[in-house]
Amino acid sequence: QKEVEQDPGPLSVPEGAIVSLNCTYSNSAFQYFMWYRQYSRKGPELLMYTYSSGNKEDGRFTAQVDKSSKYISLFIRDSQPSDSATYLCAMSAIQGAQKLVFGQGTRLTINP
Amino acid sequence: DVKVTQSSRYLVKRTGEKVFLECVQDMDHENMFWYRQDPGLGLRLIYFSYDVKMKEKGDIPEGYSVSREKKERFSLILESASTNQTSMYLCASRPGTNKNIQYFGAGTRLSVL
Repeated sequence: QKEVEQDPGPLSVPEGAIVSLNCTYSNSAFQYFMWYRQYSRKGPELLMYTYSSGNKEDGRFTAQVDKSSKYISLFIRDSQPSDSATYLCAMSAIQGAQKLVFGQGTRLTINP
Repeated sequence: DVKVTQSSRYLVKRTGEKVFLECVQDMDHENMFWYRQDPGLGLRLIYFSYDVKMKEKGDIPEGYSVSREKKERFSLILESASTNQTSMYLCASRPGTNKNIQYFGAGTRLSVL
């Protein structure tokens, strides 16, 4: 069993829809959670960074962590074609961890 | 802005060739990483370095080596390229302070024929 599981998609939704991207994990020690966005033929860029359980909002993006269920989500409101990308979750147990554990990535397409 | 630059965007090499992938970062970060990214497998860590001349194996180091002679530069070496090393290679860097965030380059798509 992989430490982090992420539905690879592809996921295709109409413009303006609410998108939910999810990762589950098995290591209960994880407490730092990240979402990266990767456009085609580009490297990943950090989108959201959260610690422990709870929600964090940044514009149209909300990151949610449920440590009791070992489940994290990224919600995108009012999705735009420019949100079309692959989204990767990543996590670690400690600050300054040498290794991050990544999900496989979900490819998202927003159709105009 | 942090900038991580990978010297080549696309490379085509032949089986058995020695291949060098170069990565340079301009933010004085202590830590640098090499990943490969394959469909359905996500990012897998090949090697990382936490200081000049220091290196640690990641999850899939077989067939690869690395070199870090200067703080800003981290090289990935394929001693004898094989077709199963055809992949997207991503370099990343991270400050030495207590942070988890890694900053990525644009990637090098390597094809080994």
